[in-house]
Amino acid sequence: DTGVSQDPRHKITKRGQNVTFRCDPISEHNRLYWYRQTLGQGPEFLTYFQNEAQLEKSRLLSDRFSAERPKGSFSTLEIQRTEQGDSAMYLCASSSFFETQYFGPGTRLLVL
Amino acid sequence: KQEVTQIPAALSVPEGENLVLNCSFTDSAIYNLQWFRQDPGKGLTSLLLIQSSQREQTSGRLNASLDKSSGRSTLYIAASQPGDSATYLCAVKGDETGANNLFFGTGTRLTVIP
Repeated sequence: DTGVSQDPRHKITKRGQNVTFRCDPISEHNRLYWYRQTLGQGPEFLTYFQNEAQLEKSRLLSDRFSAERPKGSFSTLEIQRTEQGDSAMYLCASSSFFETQYFGPGTRLLVL
Repeated sequence: KQEVTQIPAALSVPEGENLVLNCSFTDSAIYNLQWFRQDPGKGLTSLLLIQSSQREQTSGRLNASLDKSSGRSTLYIAASQPGDSATYLCAVKGDETGANNLFFGTGTRLTVIP
């Protein structure tokens, strides 16, 4: 399967802990996106990479959030000092230049 | 800021019916519009992408139309099947230089009753 993959699929953590999620995009795609989706809502944009450069960040991405894409391949999203409000589905997508965004299965985070 | 609205929020139809899902957006300066399907607890599957210069796209039993000037899109599903039950999301991409994110609606939850 050459689709977008995300790991882990589920994460339960206690408030105040740090968590890190990984996204592996479709191999030939140079663009990678992170979105957050809460229950009953559509996904909201968090950040965007073109190759290894992080070119856009949403105001939703507080200073507790950091994303990287070393070498322009996989990406990681880290949340420091998690809060209950961080509980959501974190979705990763990839695309080639201006084309359809293909989404991964998501990582569901629950902060207790 | 672009706002995307989907009506209705939920829809139940008997198997075999044709149906229309609606999407409206406030800023007509879009680059493209995508329709996605999302099954419970899962990621998004892209169904159709319409570029701003296009009026419609078709894939199998699905037909999506775009009226950019009025800020509206519809997704038509013909001969609905129980397997079509899912949440359908529309998303628009702005045409500003450097804008790459999608703005999503809240979705229409479709149930097709056997």
